[in-house]
Amino acid sequence: QVKLVESGGGVVQPGGSLRLSCEASGFTFSNYGMHWVRQAPGKGLEWVAVIWRDGKKKYHADAVKGRFTISRDNSKNTLFLQMNSLRVEDTAVFYCAREGSGYYGSGTYYKAIDYWGQGTLVTVSS
Amino acid sequence: QSALTQSASVSGSPGQSITISCTGTSSDVGGHNYVSWYQQYPGKAPKLIIYDVDHPASGVSPRFSGSKSGNTASLTISGLQAEDEADYYCSSYINGNLYVFGTATQVTVL
Repeated sequence: QVKLVESGGGVVQPGGSLRLSCEASGFTFSNYGMHWVRQAPGKGLEWVAVIWRDGKKKYHADAVKGRFTISRDNSKNTLFLQMNSLRVEDTAVFYCAREGSGYYGSGTYYKAIDYWGQGTLVTVSS
Repeated sequence: QSALTQSASVSGSPGQSITISCTGTSSDVGGHNYVSWYQQYPGKAPKLIIYDVDHPASGVSPRFSGSKSGNTASLTISGLQAEDEADYYCSSYINGNLYVFGTATQVTVL
């Protein structure tokens, strides 16, 4: 079955850096786009970044652009999120998520975030 | 990338039907069918329940259904059950590559 396990969270001071990892299993990792999504304590879901299956294209939310970088190593079935210049408002649970896609019916293409990890907590505090 | 707008809370009695709305723009909800819905229990990861506007995810109860009209998508839960009490999020791609979630709707079963 699909399994996504995040790691690397912890407590960091404002201005610091942290690198999150997400180890994938149960599916062919290199065939899927992957996302990071975060959720601040008591708040809603916020999309962070996406990377294409081959790693050639990546997109980041405006709130993290220039500070966070999504990457992947398909040989190790692992997704990463490098977070620099961290701010107090970056405190959140960070989820790794898979982007499912395919065709149904008479050839209609679909895509959606279909599987999520359990998340890793990042706390930015002095 | 402004969040999609959802009603903050919806409640209903067991057996009733409720509908949650999700309003965006022509660049996201109104621009394509890549609209999904997620259910999240406290302290747990979200779970996909509807994709592509109205397609139930694998293993999801047929009591959940989705629809869309213009820039507004909707999730209907029929035959409301106690286990449906959770937070619900809509989501959409923006112009194909970026992504946005809704503001969340808390469903309460009276």
